[in-house]
Amino acid sequence: KNEVEQSPQNLTAQEGEFITINCSYSVGISALHWLQQHPGGGIVSLFMLSSGKKKHGRLIATINIQEKHSSLHITASHPRDSAVYICAVPGRDDKIIFGKGTRLHILP
Amino acid sequence: NAGVTQTPKFQVLKTGQSMTLQCAQDMNHEYMSWYRQDPGMGLRLIHYSVGAGITDQGEVPNGYNVSRSTTEDFPLRLLSAAPSQTSVYFCASSYSSGPFSGNTIYFGEGSWLTVV
Repeated sequence: KNEVEQSPQNLTAQEGEFITINCSYSVGISALHWLQQHPGGGIVSLFMLSSGKKKHGRLIATINIQEKHSSLHITASHPRDSAVYICAVPGRDDKIIFGKGTRLHILP
Repeated sequence: NAGVTQTPKFQVLKTGQSMTLQCAQDMNHEYMSWYRQDPGMGLRLIHYSVGAGITDQGEVPNGYNVSRSTTEDFPLRLLSAAPSQTSVYFCASSYSSGPFSGNTIYFGEGSWLTVV
């Protein structure tokens, strides 16, 4: 079993829809990262959170440490939100474990 | 402030050739790492470093070599390129030892490597 599972793997939605991407992990963690990778490759950090909820613009990330689950929400989605969203958690010995990513495509 | 600079962006190699992917950061980050990204596999750790003079292996280290002589630079060397090393490579860094010490991860723009 992978230590980080993301769902769905692929998601296509219409512009304006509310988007939810889920991340479940099997290891005990101190913090979790959400990353965004646009077509063409660049990866940027969206959030790092260890409890509760964080909001940045139309993006909201939540985490439930007890349930080992995090969600990334996008409100009023836009075609420019089309990207791969990746969650990552700490592994042993300063290593990071990445999910395989969720490919999001927002149709105009 | 350039962040994480990774070069080259694109490279084609012949089997058996060697090359070095360069990674430099100007943020005084202690933690630097190299990943490869393959379709359906996600990011996999090749090597990482928690400070100058210290390196360690990740999940897929075979065929790669690293060194960390300065805080700023963390080059990745392909010793004898093989078609299985065709991939997209990312360098990343974060402040302090361990990216989960409350620190953001910064990525380079990626290097597309094809081995023929």
